[in-house]
Amino acid sequence: EVVLTQSPGTLSLSPGERATLSCRASQSVTSSFLAWYQQKPGQAPRLLIYDASSRATGIPDRFSGSGSGTDFTLTISRLEPEDFAVYYCQQYGSSPLYTFGQGTKLEIK
Amino acid sequence: DVQLVQSGAEVTKPGESLKISCKGSGYSFKNYWIGWVRQMPGRGLEWMAIIYPGDSDIRYSPSFQGQVTISADKSISTAYLQWSSLKASDTAMYYCARRGQLWHAFDFWGQGTLVTVSS
Repeated sequence: EVVLTQSPGTLSLSPGERATLSCRASQSVTSSFLAWYQQKPGQAPRLLIYDASSRATGIPDRFSGSGSGTDFTLTISRLEPEDFAVYYCQQYGSSPLYTFGQGTKLEIK
Repeated sequence: DVQLVQSGAEVTKPGESLKISCKGSGYSFKNYWIGWVRQMPGRGLEWMAIIYPGDSDIRYSPSFQGQVTISADKSISTAYLQWSSLKASDTAMYYCARRGQLWHAFDFWGQGTLVTVSS
């Protein structure tokens, strides 16, 4: 079973700063089928990045994804007030078919 | 516009059965996988099951196999998640989500259905 571990659990930053979120898999992720989602309180998750580095439709270019194998990163280049939320990584392909990380909470410092 | 509209909040008792729904619009429903994701109060996301409405191909997470049943009626563009005997630990928000055709991520999500199981 693939386990995704996200770090840090909570990240405290100020608007305008750069955020770097990590997602580490317990085994190699199939064909870099790794996605990132943003979830705000009371809302459904929103797809940000798929296939490790492709931005979903309508996602600002301050969001970028990178990585392969077992180590993946979501970077937000300059934080906007609306970016403070919880972020989840998710893999596809290994058993179970889909796995989510436990989430990183990005909070205002 | 692509939309997934879920059925409303439910309050039920342990041991009761329940079926919640997710209606898709704005795209060819039968040609996209639809999954269900659980979020327990204050917790993270857990993938439960996924179905391809075109031929009812189904995959379950081992954690949820035997606990829930996923189904779909492509004639009315609706997917379902059902329980035969609810437990208090099934209390959670349940989301349906569409998987992209060219990517394996969930690109559109329903608004969520809150299920509360309490005696």
